[in-house]
Amino acid sequence: DAGVTQSPTHLIKTRGQQVTLRCSPKSGHDTVSWYQQALGQGPQFIFQYYEEEERQRGNFPDRFSGHQFPNYSSELNVNALLLGDSALYLCASRMSGGYTGELFFGEGSRLTVL
Amino acid sequence: QKEVEQNSGPLSVPEGAIASLNCTYSDRGSQSFFWYRQYSGKSPELIMSIYSNGDKEDGRFTAQLNKASQYVSLLIRDSQPSDSATYLCAVNLDSSNTGKLIFGQGTTLQVKP
Repeated sequence: DAGVTQSPTHLIKTRGQQVTLRCSPKSGHDTVSWYQQALGQGPQFIFQYYEEEERQRGNFPDRFSGHQFPNYSSELNVNALLLGDSALYLCASRMSGGYTGELFFGEGSRLTVL
Repeated sequence: QKEVEQNSGPLSVPEGAIASLNCTYSDRGSQSFFWYRQYSGKSPELIMSIYSNGDKEDGRFTAQLNKASQYVSLLIRDSQPSDSATYLCAVNLDSSNTGKLIFGQGTTLQVKP
């Protein structure tokens, strides 16, 4: 049973560029959340997708956008990258009927902005 | 005031001792509480969830919740070097089905052989 998979694992971009990160949820899961984790900090909620719609959003600017596909996989897009966007981006999945906080995390995509 | 606060540590305990990790939260409406373990360079992994006041035990782990004091803790008995990791406290602020967790910054635990 495959867990949550994310790609790419590492990437380097320059300021002003755009990036797309991808996530496939754990088998049987239909809800995907994205979190940003800066070095030495806890994860911060970006947004959650369910039934191909953004259901809730954290305190992140519109430069952060996402999408969920019919197969439940998801993308996170970040435009006009800033140095402060350098972080580990974590995708987490769960079943819609499951407990809201019992999340399964992928290994993350580490983004470095130069 | 941060919504979820943890002492960043490091907390150092000898092998076999009890490690006590603490967390406070600011929103009295918080509904559910979680402890995640994160090894260096890895992703968070859920180890305990607790939804009502009192203690919940699972193997060597005990989660304790006191909503009146807005306090949640994790006890690890018979600590092992493999328990060395960062422990993240997370709180769900409402009962709606949003999956938004507020995490503390984490406490680094070091278990010394």
